[in-house]
Amino acid sequence: ETGVTQSPTHLIKTRGQQVTLRCSSQSGHNTVSWYQQALGQGPQFIFQYYREEENGRGNFPPRFSGLQFPNYSSELNVNALELDDSALYLCASSSTGLYGYTFGSGTRLTVV
Amino acid sequence: GESVGLHLPTLSVQEGDNSIINCAYSNSASDYFIWYKQESGKGPQFIIDIRSNMDKRQGQRVTVLLNKTVKHLSLQIAATQPGDSAVYFCAEKDNAGNNRKLIWGLGTSLAVNP
Repeated sequence: ETGVTQSPTHLIKTRGQQVTLRCSSQSGHNTVSWYQQALGQGPQFIFQYYREEENGRGNFPPRFSGLQFPNYSSELNVNALELDDSALYLCASSSTGLYGYTFGSGTRLTVV
Repeated sequence: GESVGLHLPTLSVQEGDNSIINCAYSNSASDYFIWYKQESGKGPQFIIDIRSNMDKRQGQRVTVLLNKTVKHLSLQIAATQPGDSAVYFCAEKDNAGNNRKLIWGLGTSLAVNP
């Protein structure tokens, strides 16, 4: 059984650019959630995907978007990057009917 | 508004002592709570969870206590070891609407002194 894997591990982008982050969910999990964690703070919920559709969204602007694929993997896309988007982006997988959430190691995004 | 907060931002203990990390939550309708450990540069690692129909749950060296009357959660770590040094978060499952998000506190940094 594999855990949650995220890529890339680190990324540096320029303000105004676009970025795509990737996540492979844990085997047997069908739901993926994305979180943004600023330095020294707890993670903030961005959105969740289930059956390839967005199934809940936090307080993030539309330039944060996502996809889920038939194999339950997921992408997080951020357009028009801002300096404040610099953070650790975490992906968590889970399964309907179960309570556990498994997190990946995250992607550290730096916007300069 | 929604919030899950921690009473102490930092905690320093001696190796071998017991550690207690506290957490307050605001949503009385929440039915599931999780403690995570996060080491520097890594993602959150599951420690232990508890459902709202329980008030205590034990794992290996860890115990979680839930007091729904005062909306308080605590994590007890027995015989704290240097490897326990990390930031600890409590998280609350938000069942409002279709959201199944976790609401997190700011975290408590645990430092274990040898």
